[in-house]
Amino acid sequence: GENVEQHPSTLSVQEGDSAVIKCTYSDSASNYFPWYKQELGKRPQLIIDIRSNVGEKKDQRIAVTLNKTAKHFSLHITETQPEDSAVYFCAARPLRGGANNLFFGTGTRLTVIP
Amino acid sequence: DAGVTQSPTHLIKTRGQHVTLRCSPISGHKSVSWYQQVLGQGPQFIFQYYEKEERGRGNFPDRFSARQFPNYSSELNVNALLLGDSALYLCASSLWQGKDTQYFGPGTRLTVL
Repeated sequence: GENVEQHPSTLSVQEGDSAVIKCTYSDSASNYFPWYKQELGKRPQLIIDIRSNVGEKKDQRIAVTLNKTAKHFSLHITETQPEDSAVYFCAARPLRGGANNLFFGTGTRLTVIP
Repeated sequence: DAGVTQSPTHLIKTRGQHVTLRCSPISGHKSVSWYQQVLGQGPQFIFQYYEKEERGRGNFPDRFSARQFPNYSSELNVNALLLGDSALYLCASSLWQGKDTQYFGPGTRLTVL
């Protein structure tokens, strides 16, 4: 099955700096890669996603890049703010049998220092 | 616009007991997936249901079962609870099976003593 690895496990940045979180996946059949933000005690919230026919997607301060050949994708947050502090999860979904199951990374705890 | 709802919010059980967790998807969504999130880890897929049929199953023992109702709400059942079943159980809904974004509910925090 799919295996998603995520790095780093923790990341601290100064407010205003950029943050980058990287993920790799193993199943070449994966074609959908969402990123979720989870604040303490709250539900995972989708912040951005990318499909395999696109190499990059941007939404204001957040961008995701995908390299299908190398099987890795990254989340980029620019001009970080204290409210960006949370745990971020990457995920991959293999296109097999129509099932919609996501395989998640182990998470990155981002701390933005004011 | 109501999101995914889950009940109960918290639950405390003892080993060997049975538990039923409930989920209501976003209105119009026909697919429901269940995930288990152990503290400090990413969610792990348990089941997906679409149009009341099981469409995917993760690597969980037969003590875990689920069903989907005609109104697309869903129940997750866990029998013979173990200490290791303590986790946040998340429900996610999507419009249809296969190629769509999943939106998560707030989860049910299950503690097994």
